[in-house]
Amino acid sequence: EPEVTQTPSHQVTQMGQEVILRCVPISNHLYFYWYRQILGQKVEFLVSFYNNEISEKSEIFDDQFSVERPDGSNFTLKIRSTKLEDSAMYFCASSELAGTDTQYFGPGTRLTVL
Amino acid sequence: AQKITQTQPGMFVQEKEAVTLDCTYDTSDPSYGLFWYKQPSSGEMIFLIYQGSYDQQNATEGRYSLNFQKARKSANLVISASQLGDSAMYFCAMRASNNDMRFGAGTRLTVKP
Repeated sequence: EPEVTQTPSHQVTQMGQEVILRCVPISNHLYFYWYRQILGQKVEFLVSFYNNEISEKSEIFDDQFSVERPDGSNFTLKIRSTKLEDSAMYFCASSELAGTDTQYFGPGTRLTVL
Repeated sequence: AQKITQTQPGMFVQEKEAVTLDCTYDTSDPSYGLFWYKQPSSGEMIFLIYQGSYDQQNATEGRYSLNFQKARKSANLVISASQLGDSAMYFCAMRASNNDMRFGAGTRLTVKP
């Protein structure tokens, strides 16, 4: 069964460094998303992406964050200058359609900022 | 604005019994979808079940069923015949006509042998 994959599974970085989290969505899906889950808290929406453009973003997704689909398969989240409070699990998700279509989540990347 | 509320931070159930996890929501959008995800201790988010706002019947997927009461704006998850492997965090989520999916705070379910 097709699934969303994410790499790396765990990333440790120093405060102020740039990180890129990578995702490969399900191949026939057209809508892509990033979510964040700080340890012990609920999942929070960051951004949605369609047709090489951001379609929605939350107040968390500030200028430090950017997303990109550099080729036909990868979908990346870049954090330009990491802060301690960026430590969280980051989930990528994809869906075939927009609106109320089911989003399928990747296994997550645990980001630890020291 | 959309809002999802899960009022049970933790629930216990005896193995083989049924359990209901509560979820209420608020939205002004007439078209929305309601989702339940399971998050085991390993951390991944596993899609369980979906209910559309215009669906006439309650969704069912194996041992999972969704008790959808539109007038009360509730979408409770019922797990029948609980198994030890059901122990996990369970998140209710809603997505309306925009692409922004909102999650509840989650309920930690513990299945006792």
